Amino acid sequence: AQTVTQSQPEMSVQEAETVTLSCTYDTSESDYYLFWYKQPPSRQMILVIRQEAYKQQNATENRFSVNFQKAAKSFSLKISDSQLGDAAMYFCAYRSPPGRETSGSRLTFGEGTQLTVNP
Amino acid sequence: SAVISQKPSRDICQRGTSLTIQCQVDSQVTMMFWYRQQPGQSLTLIATANQGSEATYESGFVIDKFPISRPNLTFSTLTVSNMSPEDSSIYLCSVEGREGGPQYFGPGTRLTVL
Repeated sequence: AQTVTQSQPEMSVQEAETVTLSCTYDTSESDYYLFWYKQPPSRQMILVIRQEAYKQQNATENRFSVNFQKAAKSFSLKISDSQLGDAAMYFCAYRSPPGRETSGSRLTFGEGTQLTVNP
Repeated sequence: SAVISQKPSRDICQRGTSLTIQCQVDSQVTMMFWYRQQPGQSLTLIATANQGSEATYESGFVIDKFPISRPNLTFSTLTVSNMSPEDSSIYLCSVEGREGGPQYFGPGTRLTVL
């Protein structure tokens, strides 16, 4: 079974600075998807970024980018120019490719990293 | 991305009762899922809601406790039956527009059982 580990329960960053959140995962599959979700106090889960394992290029969405290291099974999230609105719980998640009946379409989540942005 | 609504947004219930949570999507989607987020914890998949057939439950979750319906491609319900305080959680609906695509989440239902 796949597992996802976020080793940083809490992180803090100064407004306008850059912060990197860590995520590692364990899988025997060669093709899969990785995600970062953000959950602010409103509890709404918001998709931040998505990476397909077969793509070597790191995904980027505006101020958010990932460092995907497939061999190391590492998937970190970098937030540049941090804003107060970035404060939230961030979850890393893993999904098997379609057609895998044993694991299905479930998202396997890490335990989360609580990000605080200081003004 | 799809617009997803859930009803109710929150509720406080007495133990032994049941609550049905609704999830409505503004477009047809292939996959719908129900997750549970216990206080201070991450999300755990309860089941995949299959249109026109029985839901597929994850280990540790059973149909008698969490019956699920999905009558069409835009709507699903999750019932939390015979509730106990341990069922106090946030319940989230998510959808996948195409197989392998990203999953988007509803706003969640915060359930408190007294």
